[in-house]
Amino acid sequence: QVQLQQSGPGLVKPSQTLSLTCAISGDSVSSNSAAWNWIRQSPSRGLEWLGRTYFRSKWYNHYAVSVKSRITIKPDTSRNQFSLQLDSMTPDDTAVYYCARDGGYLIDYWGQGTRVTVSS
Amino acid sequence: QSVLTQPPSASGTPGQRVTISCSGSSSNIGKNTVNWYQQLPGTAPKVLMYSNSQRPSGVPDRFSGSKSGTSASLAISGLQSEDEADYYCAAWDDSLNGFLVFGTGTKVTVL
Repeated sequence: QVQLQQSGPGLVKPSQTLSLTCAISGDSVSSNSAAWNWIRQSPSRGLEWLGRTYFRSKWYNHYAVSVKSRITIKPDTSRNQFSLQLDSMTPDDTAVYYCARDGGYLIDYWGQGTRVTVSS
Repeated sequence: QSVLTQPPSASGTPGQRVTISCSGSSSNIGKNTVNWYQQLPGTAPKVLMYSNSQRPSGVPDRFSGSKSGTSASLAISGLQSEDEADYYCAAWDDSLNGFLVFGTGTKVTVL
């Protein structure tokens, strides 16, 4: 059974960087068949895919066009986790952020969600 | 990036049949399979249907899915009170480097 445990702050000031981590149990961040995603949800944007990282002989990252200039998703193989870094946060980035596994063209496991508010 | 279009709401009385549509394009639903998620308040979405019409174990058979061209649909037969939730479709889009696109969501109310 795959479990994803998120950690990180719930409050970020405007212009600062959001950093969230997702610890994986029951699978490996280096899996050759899974991809590791960040997704957010807000009333204004609905469910929005932000990006993913995955390993297929080498590491790949793909990001949504809407955040491509300010997002980084990194694997941490020593701790079997992956992280999200989103720079230059604005109130429009206020949302619930989820990490999630893609087990093969299907987001099948989700983290518990982190409610992030951007406010001074 | 595009989204998949769903009706904002659907409703029915217990025992009725409710259908939710999901409209996309040739680069997402037209090329890839559709997955459906059920979201209860305060929780993460849960897989309800995958590969257009496959139910994970534990999902009642009153839920069914289909796909045709660039559209998909989810049907709930024999609506029950516990089916009151938000429902989202999702599909991978092959444009650019590939990205996941979600539906706008449908709130199902059991009257």
